[in-house]
Amino acid sequence: EVQLLESGGGLVQPGGSLRLSCAASGFTFSSSAMSWVRQAPGKGLEWVSGTSSSGSNTYYADSVKGRFTISRDNSKNTLYLQMNSLRAEDTAVYYCAKDYYCSIGSCYSDYWGQGTLVTVSS
Amino acid sequence: DIVMTQSPDSLAVSLGERATINCKSSQNVFYSSNNKNFLAWYQQKPGQPPKLLIYWAFTRESGVPDRFSGSGFGTDFTLTISSLQAEDVAVYYCQQYYSSPRTFGQGTKVEIK
Repeated sequence: EVQLLESGGGLVQPGGSLRLSCAASGFTFSSSAMSWVRQAPGKGLEWVSGTSSSGSNTYYADSVKGRFTISRDNSKNTLYLQMNSLRAEDTAVYYCAKDYYCSIGSCYSDYWGQGTLVTVSS
Repeated sequence: DIVMTQSPDSLAVSLGERATINCKSSQNVFYSSNNKNFLAWYQQKPGQPPKLLIYWAFTRESGVPDRFSGSGFGTDFTLTISSLQAEDVAVYYCQQYYSSPRTFGQGTKVEIK
């Protein structure tokens, strides 16, 4: 059974940093592209960042480019999202997602974690 | 970026009746080299993460009931629930993966009338 377990969310002040983790199990993590998708309270879905299976290719939404860094440790079956210079508009539930098919960095996801809430507020 | 626009924003359907959700992309998401539309549908129930229902515009994910079906081509797509069940109350999103960044529609909330 595929499981994706996010952690690391919480309350942070504007301008602060946070690192999210996603522990994966039940599939061959090192063979799967992965993504982070967020959902602001009461709003829709917004793709944030993605990485190829090896981690050699990474992709970012314009809204987070230069502030967020996606990475993965295939030896630990874990995906990360380092978030710096956080803003109020980054407040959202952040979902880790397993990507099934990708075309030039754009994918659809077949499994999603339960999400972790990030709140940026003073 | 490709803009995905869903209609309606919400709809209320009686149990056992048909629910139809439309999704329009600002650009064509059909790729002629593999003859596929790069369009997926997700279901998100309250307090849960999204769940993949359909990909390639009409291919049902394993385990998804056959009352869910997808159709369309190019820029106009439809998700149909042929006979609405109580457990289908959710928000439904379309998403294109034709080009980066992948983009989602704003969501359509389906309720019981």
